[in-house]
Amino acid sequence: KNEVEQSPQNLTAQEGEFITINCSYSVGISALHWLQQHPGGGIVSLFMLSSGKKKHGRLIATINIQEKHSSLHITASHPRDSAVYICAVSYYGGATNKLIFGTGTLLAVQP
Amino acid sequence: DTGVSQNPRHKITKRGQNVTFRCDPISEHNRLYWYRQTLGQGPEFLTYFQNEAQLEKSRLLSDRFSAERPKGSFSTLEIQRTEQGDSAMYLCASSPRTGISYEQYFGPGTRLTVT
Repeated sequence: KNEVEQSPQNLTAQEGEFITINCSYSVGISALHWLQQHPGGGIVSLFMLSSGKKKHGRLIATINIQEKHSSLHITASHPRDSAVYICAVSYYGGATNKLIFGTGTLLAVQP
Repeated sequence: DTGVSQNPRHKITKRGQNVTFRCDPISEHNRLYWYRQTLGQGPEFLTYFQNEAQLEKSRLLSDRFSAERPKGSFSTLEIQRTEQGDSAMYLCASSPRTGISYEQYFGPGTRLTVT
């Protein structure tokens, strides 16, 4: 079982829809990261959070430490939001702070 | 451009050849990571440098792989005697010193195809 599980694996939405991507993890973490990857490979960090909620533009990320669960929401989705969204975690006590990644959610927003 | 850069962006090589990739992190970042991503999967950790010291290597990093960061600035990842299973995207990331948890800044990756 992967340490970081994402759902759904694939998601197709119509422009304007509210989108939710979920991430669950198995042990205590120091931080959870949401990242975006476009075709061609480049990865951009969207959020890093260890508690509560963060908002940036139309993107909202929440985390529930007790339930070991995080969600990424996209409001008023747009075709340019089409990408792979990846959840990753880093652990307390890990000197390297390396990231453990989920397999990603492929989002396609249709006009 | 002050982001993380990687060269080359694409590399096609024949099985058995050696390849070397370069990563230039953001200049004030002392932490540098290499990850590997195969098609349809999330990235997997390969190795970590703090300044010039290589502090952790994944079991994925077989003895055909070697990484260096000689002056604590750029890093190189070499794969000797490449195999088809080495075909993947190789990603480099860097992060700053401050804080308990560190945001990582990724380069565009080097896509390796072994034929």
